[in-house]
Amino acid sequence: EADIYQTPRYLVIGTGKKITLECSQTMGHDKMYWYQQDPGMELHLIHYSYGVNSTEKGDLSSESTVSRIRTEHFPLTLESARPSHTSQYLCASSEWRTPETQYFGPGTRLLVL
Amino acid sequence: QKEVEQDPGPLSVPEGAIVSLNCTYSNSAFQYFMWYRQYSRKGPELLMYTYSSGNKEDGRFTAQVDKSSKYISLFIRDSQPSDSATYLCAMSSIKAAGNKLTFGGGTRVLVKP
Repeated sequence: EADIYQTPRYLVIGTGKKITLECSQTMGHDKMYWYQQDPGMELHLIHYSYGVNSTEKGDLSSESTVSRIRTEHFPLTLESARPSHTSQYLCASSEWRTPETQYFGPGTRLLVL
Repeated sequence: QKEVEQDPGPLSVPEGAIVSLNCTYSNSAFQYFMWYRQYSRKGPELLMYTYSSGNKEDGRFTAQVDKSSKYISLFIRDSQPSDSATYLCAMSSIKAAGNKLTFGGGTRVLVKP
């Protein structure tokens, strides 16, 4: 079982608030990812990281930002939440040698009112 | 047109039946093919991983890849109610930026006791 954790699991917040979604993994994986998933829809990559101090934007345009100061930690921040940010956010990680086998956390369900 | 197409279902089968799932894709560069299982309100869990064409078996699960037809399949034998979930296919290529996985929309499976 993958050891990747996300907090909070559920978050209801008002428009304009700043939020940070936490993601941690204890597998020592270099690569980490953030995906966004709306109900019944595909997962879309919004951010990824090759390692410490590396961050890149994914396919889906997102107003969120990420940081990678420690290998095990890859938080996602929204400076000013809007209702359009309502979605499920999934964090994943993979080994350098096998990046296609990604292990996912349980996700954070975000509702912005 | 989406790069990866997957019938959303739902697919309802009696316990003990064979579940047959498939995805079609358009990008001939895809070389890595994965199947994930996602329970409600959870993150995707990696089930099967296949490189290039051929078959792979793991317990009750068999994955098939036909690159010439751009078609992949997952078979679940002796299905159990605990197999009720959404099954996502995912694909990647060596050159994909960030080792991005391209997901299908998922097929919801219901195994009835």
